[in-house]
Amino acid sequence: DVQMTQSPTSLSASVGDRVTITCRASQSISNFVNWYQQKPGKAPNLLIYAALNPRDGVPSRFRGAGSGTDFTLTINSLQPEDLATYYCQLSASAPYTFGQGTKIEIK
Amino acid sequence: QVHLVQSGPEVKKPGASVKVSCKASGDSFTDFTIHWVRQAPGQRPEWMGWINLGSGNTKYSDNFQARLTLTRDTSAGTAYMDLSGLRSEDTGIYFCAKEVASMRWDWFDPWGPGTLVTVSA
Repeated sequence: DVQMTQSPTSLSASVGDRVTITCRASQSISNFVNWYQQKPGKAPNLLIYAALNPRDGVPSRFRGAGSGTDFTLTINSLQPEDLATYYCQLSASAPYTFGQGTKIEIK
Repeated sequence: QVHLVQSGPEVKKPGASVKVSCKASGDSFTDFTIHWVRQAPGQRPEWMGWINLGSGNTKYSDNFQARLTLTRDTSAGTAYMDLSGLRSEDTGIYFCAKEVASMRWDWFDPWGPGTLVTVSA
Protein backbone atom coordinates (compact mmCIF):
# COMPACT_ATOMS: atom_id res chain seq x y z
CA ASP A 1 0.00 0.00 0.00
CA VAL A 2 1.05 3.59 -0.61
CA GLN A 3 2.18 5.37 2.55
CA MET A 4 1.52 9.07 3.10
CA THR A 5 4.00 10.95 5.29
CA GLN A 6 3.33 14.49 6.45
CA SER A 7 5.73 17.02 7.88
CA PRO A 8 5.89 18.67 10.23
CA THR A 9 3.59 16.85 12.65
CA SER A 10 2.98 20.11 14.47
CA LEU A 11 3.81 23.77 14.16
CA SER A 12 3.17 27.03 15.91
CA ALA A 13 2.76 30.20 13.88
CA SER A 14 1.46 33.72 14.26
CA VAL A 15 -1.58 35.29 12.69
CA GLY A 16 -0.61 36.56 9.27
CA ASP A 17 2.19 34.02 8.76
CA ARG A 18 2.48 31.86 5.68
CA VAL A 19 2.47 28.17 6.60
CA THR A 20 3.36 25.21 4.39
CA ILE A 21 2.62 21.54 5.13
CA THR A 22 4.24 18.78 3.11
CA CYS A 23 2.85 15.35 2.26
CA ARG A 24 5.06 12.74 0.61
CA ALA A 25 3.74 9.56 -0.99
CA SER A 26 5.82 6.38 -0.94
CA GLN A 27 5.32 6.04 -4.71
CA SER A 28 4.09 8.27 -7.50
CA ILE A 29 0.38 8.91 -7.28
CA SER A 30 -0.05 11.60 -9.95
CA ASN A 31 -2.39 14.17 -8.36
CA PHE A 32 -4.59 11.78 -6.39
CA VAL A 33 -4.38 13.70 -3.14
CA ASN A 34 -7.00 15.43 -1.05
CA TRP A 35 -6.53 17.71 1.96
CA TYR A 36 -8.84 17.92 4.96
CA GLN A 37 -9.06 20.26 7.93
CA GLN A 38 -10.18 18.85 11.27
CA LYS A 39 -11.01 21.26 14.06
CA PRO A 40 -10.95 19.96 17.65
CA GLY A 41 -13.91 17.71 18.39
CA LYS A 42 -15.25 17.89 14.84
CA ALA A 43 -15.30 15.77 11.73
CA PRO A 44 -12.75 16.41 8.99
CA ASN A 45 -13.82 18.85 6.28
CA LEU A 46 -12.63 18.82 2.70
CA LEU A 47 -10.31 21.69 1.76
CA ILE A 48 -8.61 20.65 -1.48
CA TYR A 49 -9.28 17.83 -3.95
CA ALA A 50 -7.15 16.46 -6.77
CA ALA A 51 -4.10 18.12 -5.25
CA LEU A 52 -4.90 21.72 -6.12
CA ASN A 53 -8.66 22.32 -6.42
CA PRO A 54 -10.26 24.16 -3.53
CA ARG A 55 -13.70 23.08 -2.41
CA ASP A 56 -16.38 25.71 -3.00
CA GLY A 57 -16.40 28.14 -0.11
CA VAL A 58 -12.85 27.45 1.06
CA PRO A 59 -11.00 30.73 1.66
CA SER A 60 -8.53 31.66 -1.04
CA ARG A 61 -5.63 31.63 1.44
CA PHE A 62 -5.62 27.81 1.22
CA ARG A 63 -3.58 26.54 -1.75
CA GLY A 64 -2.71 23.00 -2.77
CA ALA A 65 0.13 22.05 -5.08
CA GLY A 66 2.23 19.11 -6.21
CA SER A 67 2.15 15.93 -8.23
CA GLY A 68 3.93 12.61 -8.28
CA THR A 69 5.18 12.01 -4.76
CA ASP A 70 5.40 15.49 -3.20
CA PHE A 71 2.46 17.67 -2.26
CA THR A 72 2.00 20.84 -0.26
CA LEU A 73 -0.79 22.69 1.45
CA THR A 74 -0.04 26.37 1.97
CA ILE A 75 -2.01 28.72 4.15
CA ASN A 76 -1.30 32.30 3.20
CA SER A 77 -1.90 34.75 6.03
CA LEU A 78 -2.81 32.35 8.84
CA GLN A 79 -6.01 33.23 10.69
CA PRO A 80 -7.08 32.33 14.26
CA GLU A 81 -9.83 30.07 12.91
CA ASP A 82 -7.21 27.95 11.11
CA LEU A 83 -6.34 26.28 14.42
CA ALA A 84 -6.82 22.64 13.41
CA THR A 85 -5.14 19.44 12.32
CA TYR A 86 -4.63 19.01 8.58
CA TYR A 87 -4.52 15.65 6.82
CA CYS A 88 -3.55 14.64 3.32
CA GLN A 89 -5.29 11.60 1.85
CA LEU A 90 -4.58 9.25 -1.02
CA SER A 91 -7.66 9.34 -3.22
CA ALA A 92 -9.31 7.13 -5.83
CA SER A 93 -7.69 4.00 -4.44
CA ALA A 94 -8.39 1.84 -1.41
CA PRO A 95 -7.25 1.98 1.36
CA TYR A 96 -7.53 5.79 0.96
CA THR A 97 -4.57 6.27 3.29
CA PHE A 98 -4.35 9.43 5.38
CA GLY A 99 -1.17 11.15 6.44
CA GLN A 100 -0.45 11.32 10.17
CA GLY A 101 -1.62 14.91 10.36
CA THR A 102 -0.15 18.35 11.01
CA LYS A 103 -1.46 20.19 14.03
CA ILE A 104 -1.35 23.96 13.68
CA GLU A 105 -1.28 26.09 16.80
CA ILE A 106 -1.59 29.84 16.85
CA LYS A 107 1.10 31.71 18.78
CA GLN B 1 -26.77 19.26 -0.67
CA VAL B 2 -26.47 16.02 1.32
CA HIS B 3 -26.48 16.13 5.10
CA LEU B 4 -25.40 13.08 7.15
CA VAL B 5 -26.71 12.30 10.63
CA GLN B 6 -25.21 9.49 12.70
CA SER B 7 -26.50 7.49 15.65
CA GLY B 8 -25.46 8.23 19.21
CA PRO B 9 -22.50 7.10 21.31
CA GLU B 10 -22.10 3.44 22.23
CA VAL B 11 -20.35 1.63 25.07
CA LYS B 12 -19.59 -2.01 24.43
CA LYS B 13 -17.80 -4.85 26.16
CA PRO B 14 -14.93 -6.68 24.47
CA GLY B 15 -16.20 -9.36 22.11
CA ALA B 16 -19.50 -7.59 21.47
CA SER B 17 -20.69 -6.02 18.21
CA VAL B 18 -21.70 -2.46 17.44
CA LYS B 19 -23.97 -1.10 14.72
CA VAL B 20 -23.73 2.57 13.76
CA SER B 21 -26.21 4.24 11.44
CA CYS B 22 -25.74 7.10 8.98
CA LYS B 23 -28.88 8.75 7.66
CA ALA B 24 -28.65 10.86 4.56
CA SER B 25 -30.98 13.68 3.69
CA GLY B 26 -31.19 16.28 1.00
CA ASP B 27 -30.41 14.20 -2.06
CA SER B 28 -31.41 11.01 -3.80
CA PHE B 29 -30.22 8.29 -1.51
CA THR B 30 -29.52 5.80 -4.25
CA ASP B 31 -27.08 7.89 -6.18
CA PHE B 32 -23.94 7.77 -4.14
CA THR B 33 -21.35 5.84 -2.15
CA ILE B 34 -20.82 6.10 1.60
CA HIS B 35 -17.41 5.53 3.15
CA TRP B 36 -16.76 4.66 6.78
CA VAL B 37 -13.68 6.00 8.54
CA ARG B 38 -12.46 5.32 12.06
CA GLN B 39 -10.35 7.67 14.13
CA ALA B 40 -8.80 6.32 17.31
CA PRO B 41 -7.93 8.86 20.01
CA GLY B 42 -5.07 11.08 18.86
CA GLN B 43 -4.61 9.09 15.65
CA ARG B 44 -5.05 9.72 11.96
CA PRO B 45 -8.30 8.71 10.27
CA GLU B 46 -8.35 5.13 9.00
CA TRP B 47 -10.52 4.07 6.10
CA MET B 48 -12.71 1.04 6.83
CA GLY B 49 -14.77 0.45 3.69
CA TRP B 50 -17.47 1.75 1.39
CA ILE B 51 -20.97 0.80 0.28
CA ASN B 52 -22.76 1.92 -2.86
CA LEU B 53 -26.25 2.83 -1.80
CA GLY B 54 -27.83 1.96 -5.12
CA SER B 55 -26.30 -1.44 -5.84
CA GLY B 56 -25.36 -2.43 -2.30
CA ASN B 57 -21.87 -3.27 -3.52
CA THR B 58 -19.19 -3.04 -0.85
CA LYS B 59 -15.44 -2.92 -0.50
CA TYR B 60 -13.62 -3.45 2.79
CA SER B 61 -10.20 -2.57 4.07
CA ASP B 62 -8.02 -5.63 4.67
CA ASN B 63 -7.71 -4.45 8.28
CA PHE B 64 -11.45 -4.84 8.86
CA GLN B 65 -12.47 -7.42 6.26
CA ALA B 66 -13.11 -10.22 8.75
CA ARG B 67 -15.20 -8.19 11.22
CA LEU B 68 -16.97 -5.48 9.22
CA THR B 69 -20.34 -5.55 7.50
CA LEU B 70 -21.73 -2.54 5.64
CA THR B 71 -25.40 -2.49 4.73
CA ARG B 72 -28.02 0.01 3.69
CA ASP B 73 -31.78 0.49 3.87
CA THR B 74 -32.81 2.52 0.87
CA SER B 75 -36.38 2.99 2.13
CA ALA B 76 -35.02 4.53 5.35
CA GLY B 77 -32.29 6.47 3.58
CA THR B 78 -29.77 4.97 5.98
CA ALA B 79 -26.41 3.21 5.80
CA TYR B 80 -25.15 0.94 8.58
CA MET B 81 -21.72 -0.09 9.83
CA ASP B 82 -21.57 -3.29 11.88
CA LEU B 83 -18.27 -4.16 13.56
CA SER B 84 -18.00 -7.43 15.46
CA GLY B 85 -15.47 -8.93 17.85
CA LEU B 86 -14.80 -5.60 19.49
CA ARG B 87 -11.58 -5.05 21.41
CA SER B 88 -10.24 -2.08 23.31
CA GLU B 89 -8.30 -0.90 20.24
CA ASP B 90 -11.61 -0.35 18.44
CA THR B 91 -12.39 2.56 20.73
CA GLY B 92 -12.70 5.68 18.65
CA ILE B 93 -14.94 7.90 16.60
CA TYR B 94 -16.59 6.35 13.58
CA PHE B 95 -17.46 8.67 10.70
CA CYS B 96 -19.52 8.16 7.60
CA ALA B 97 -18.72 10.32 4.60
CA LYS B 98 -20.22 10.76 1.17
CA GLU B 99 -18.01 10.10 -1.80
CA VAL B 100 -17.91 12.74 -4.52
CA ALA B 101 -16.41 11.49 -7.77
CA SER B 102 -15.33 13.28 -10.90
CA MET B 103 -13.76 11.29 -13.70
CA ARG B 104 -10.88 9.41 -12.00
CA TRP B 105 -10.80 11.49 -8.84
CA ASP B 106 -12.85 11.17 -5.67
CA TRP B 107 -13.05 12.81 -2.28
CA PHE B 108 -15.13 12.65 0.89
CA ASP B 109 -17.65 15.47 1.30
CA PRO B 110 -19.54 15.91 3.52
CA TRP B 111 -18.74 13.88 6.61
CA GLY B 112 -21.15 12.89 9.33
CA PRO B 113 -20.50 14.27 12.84
CA GLY B 114 -19.09 10.97 14.05
CA THR B 115 -20.19 8.35 16.57
CA LEU B 116 -18.05 7.63 19.62
CA VAL B 117 -17.68 3.92 20.31
CA THR B 118 -16.04 2.97 23.58
CA VAL B 119 -14.98 -0.62 24.18
CA SER B 120 -14.36 -1.35 27.84
CA ALA B 121 -14.78 -4.25 30.21
